[in-house]
Amino acid sequence: NAGVTQTPKFRILKIGQSMTLQCTQDMNHNYMYWYRQDPGMGLKLIYYSVGAGITDKGEVPNGYNVSRSTTEDFPLRLELAAPSQTSVYFCASSLTGNSGANVLTFGAGSRLTVL
Amino acid sequence: AQSVTQLGSHVSVSEGALVLLRCNYSSSVPPYLFWYVQYPNQGLQLLLKYTSAATLVKGINGFEAEFKKSETSFHLTKPSAHMRDAAEYFCAVSVSNRLAFGKGNQVVVIP
Repeated sequence: NAGVTQTPKFRILKIGQSMTLQCTQDMNHNYMYWYRQDPGMGLKLIYYSVGAGITDKGEVPNGYNVSRSTTEDFPLRLELAAPSQTSVYFCASSLTGNSGANVLTFGAGSRLTVL
Repeated sequence: AQSVTQLGSHVSVSEGALVLLRCNYSSSVPPYLFWYVQYPNQGLQLLLKYTSAATLVKGINGFEAEFKKSETSFHLTKPSAHMRDAAEYFCAVSVSNRLAFGKGNQVVVIP
């Protein structure tokens, strides 16, 4: 029972490089999310998806892209890495977006440093 | 817009003392509220949630929270802190198919 799996756990990028953070879930959840966590700032939503083929922007989407070709996978792409994207990234999923039942299962996080 | 506010980023509590973490919400409709906990180097996990069934909600590890509409609050408490409670705690509100999180409280337990 893997839950939500994120790779890589750690990565150092140079300014201007590109990379993809991988996220996969094995719970057949319809909803998937990408958050970033910065010290003292809580979690900010980057992008989310309500099902395969459907994605939408969150609070802080600039500099990121996502796709959802399958129910299981929701990769996050950084096209031109900037120091401001240094953060810890969390992928999460939930069975439904229904407000009262919207319990998220989180991955362990990916720590990204851009130098 | 629906949101939550957590004050005081760091909270120190002595082992065995009361843990009290404050969360106030802003919502024009009855909110769905959550508390999540994050242990070091891990993702977040659900502590408890309020979905209007009962105003006093009990969660895991001895935590509970009380929904008070008149005060627009959903404070988290635990009667007696344990060393294993050292973690970061987040209050969240459900907004249009996603959660909006507060800034979190880092709890330090002093032996």
